[in-house]
Amino acid sequence: GAVVSQHPSRVICKSGTSVKIECRSLDFQATTMFWYRQFPKKSLMLMATSNEGSKATYEQGVEKDKFLINHASLTLSTLTVTSAHPEDSSFYICSAQSGLAGSIRDEQFFGPGTRLTVL
Amino acid sequence: GQQLNQSPQSMFIQEGEDVSMNCTSSSIFNTWLWYKQDPGEGPVLLIALYKAGELTSNGRLTAQFGITRKDSFLNISASIPSDVGIYFCAVLDLKTSYDKVIFGPGTSLSVIP
Repeated sequence: GAVVSQHPSRVICKSGTSVKIECRSLDFQATTMFWYRQFPKKSLMLMATSNEGSKATYEQGVEKDKFLINHASLTLSTLTVTSAHPEDSSFYICSAQSGLAGSIRDEQFFGPGTRLTVL
Repeated sequence: GQQLNQSPQSMFIQEGEDVSMNCTSSSIFNTWLWYKQDPGEGPVLLIALYKAGELTSNGRLTAQFGITRKDSFLNISASIPSDVGIYFCAVLDLKTSYDKVIFGPGTSLSVIP
């Protein structure tokens, strides 16, 4: 199957700093990328959806000024957690989809996740 | 809002036993998905179901899409230690302008050798 990578896999930062997480589709072009957040022993919750070259669509309750998403190319999306606080500590997972939205049989391939710990 | 329920929440089984878990929704969905997540990793798609009543197998895994389009089950036969993980059901919400995957709360599976 298609491969999606995330970098870094783990990051520890001080409260108030910003952290950038990269999501790359390694062997396919991803028209759409998704960012999820997962707390311990909980399910994945969609934060936002980004289409290459356009603004991200954020889910209700997700602060777009705090979680900046950039999908500058068909193989790279970045999530920047700005002014991070301890409550932002979580497992952040991206996924990438090769087809256009609405193509139900275009599988979303998930990255391995990034563990963020804010001290 | 939309919500999926999975049962059981967790299960401990002996190696070699069969496993069954299910997922229900209060709303109708036309695409049901089953994922497995290993600790510290992203979820991996196991089976996708696109048609009500459909029964699909992937090795020792079998999943069915309920005829009412409000439920699905996943069976694992002859469990082995590497089956350990969290199994999530998910549905595809096509009402939005993008393909939104809604995940269930998960079933944690432990296999005792």
